Amino acid sequence: GQSLEQPSEVTAVEGAIVQINCTYQTSGFYGLSWYQQHDGGAPTFLSYNALDGLEETGRFSSFLSRSDSYGYLLLQELQMKDSASYFCAVRDLKGRDDKIIFGKGTRLHILP
Amino acid sequence: SQTIHQWPATLVQPVGSPLSLECTVEGTSNPNLYWYRQAAGRGLQLLFYSVGIGQISSEVPQNLSASRPQDRQFILSSKKLLLSDSGFYLCAWSSGHGNTEAFFGQGTRLTVV
Repeated sequence: GQSLEQPSEVTAVEGAIVQINCTYQTSGFYGLSWYQQHDGGAPTFLSYNALDGLEETGRFSSFLSRSDSYGYLLLQELQMKDSASYFCAVRDLKGRDDKIIFGKGTRLHILP
Repeated sequence: SQTIHQWPATLVQPVGSPLSLECTVEGTSNPNLYWYRQAAGRGLQLLFYSVGIGQISSEVPQNLSASRPQDRQFILSSKKLLLSDSGFYLCAWSSGHGNTEAFFGQGTRLTVV
């Protein structure tokens, strides 16, 4: 089966940097993604890592280490609008199976 | 550009009633399609996924079923709803190749009473 572990909640101060970690276990790993979800809304895609290393997209960066089955999302210059839930997700591709499995999400609280 | 439509946005149904939620995708062909359920304040649970017409894979045993009668149409159904079926249902699509970006519909908030 597949499993993803991420912290349930993280609190940070406006303007600071925060890192949300994710460890995963899957048999047909095909990449790690991150999504943001505001209350009442649908998840929206933030970033994707297929290979080891750091991917940067504006204030958001994502890192992957396939040997450690580990990744993280880094949010810089935090703004109040970044208060949301963040999900890591893996694509599990094995034979005819092609599915995207999500972690339970990390609730990010930002203090002024 | 690609868009995904999911309806209705909210639904209140009595226990034991049937359910049909529909999702359609525009602007792409042969997408992978997914149904997820999210309980309040919780993660996204994968219910069903489909890599092609008529091909449905189920992740969790339950009283729900899914069908894909057309390439870009995905339907979630139940013959008799349970109280535990309440939740936020999300349809999503992704391309069959490349990255893992999934695009979500706006979701259906289902309350079974």
